[in-house]
Amino acid sequence: ETGVTQTPRHLVMGMTNKKSLKCEQHLGHNAMYWYKQSAKKPLELMFVYNFKEQTENNSVPSRFSPECPNSSHLFLHLHTLQPEDSALYLCASSHVSGGPVGNIQYFGAGTRLSVL
Amino acid sequence: AQTVTQSQPEMSVQEAETVTLSCTYDTSESDYYLFWYKQPPSRQMILVIRQEAYKQQNATENRFSVNFQKAAKSFSLKISDSQLGDAAMYFCAYRSPYNNNDMRFGAGTRLTVKP
Repeated sequence: ETGVTQTPRHLVMGMTNKKSLKCEQHLGHNAMYWYKQSAKKPLELMFVYNFKEQTENNSVPSRFSPECPNSSHLFLHLHTLQPEDSALYLCASSHVSGGPVGNIQYFGAGTRLSVL
Repeated sequence: AQTVTQSQPEMSVQEAETVTLSCTYDTSESDYYLFWYKQPPSRQMILVIRQEAYKQQNATENRFSVNFQKAAKSFSLKISDSQLGDAAMYFCAYRSPYNNNDMRFGAGTRLTVKP
């Protein structure tokens, strides 16, 4: 079992649908992240949660709504998306503390989202 | 803001040969962390190697090593004795010590390994 699990692996939705992406980590981490990965572009950080509290929201449109009920689970609720939102959505987790080693982020396999 | 640049969108290497992937970054900070992640077709990003900027010695992990040139802000990845399983997207990443959550990634290099 991998440390960070994302479901579903693939999702096709219409622009008027409402769907949710799920992420679960089994590594005992207390920080969780959502990234958007588009072809030939750097990963874009969307949201960060530390100890269940949202600490980063990088100007993400309100049609993306994150939820972090506990340190092990993270959701991304999707509503009235646009075709340009089609991408791979990656979840990651890490320890909050940095220090000399630095906090390493562990990733899930992502959800491939297609918006029609 | 820190930016990470990977100038090689695609690279290929013959099996058992050596390949070097390039990465440069822009920062005004003197201390930071650098990473190389591998994303195989399974899509799960896996940490390959990391380097602390205050360490002059280049990091190595088995067949993977880096050439860290702090003054030039360069952080290249060398893969020796390339194997078919090394075929993947490789991402270079930068993290500031002042914001643990903010990891900046390059656009990636797709590595093909030819048998």
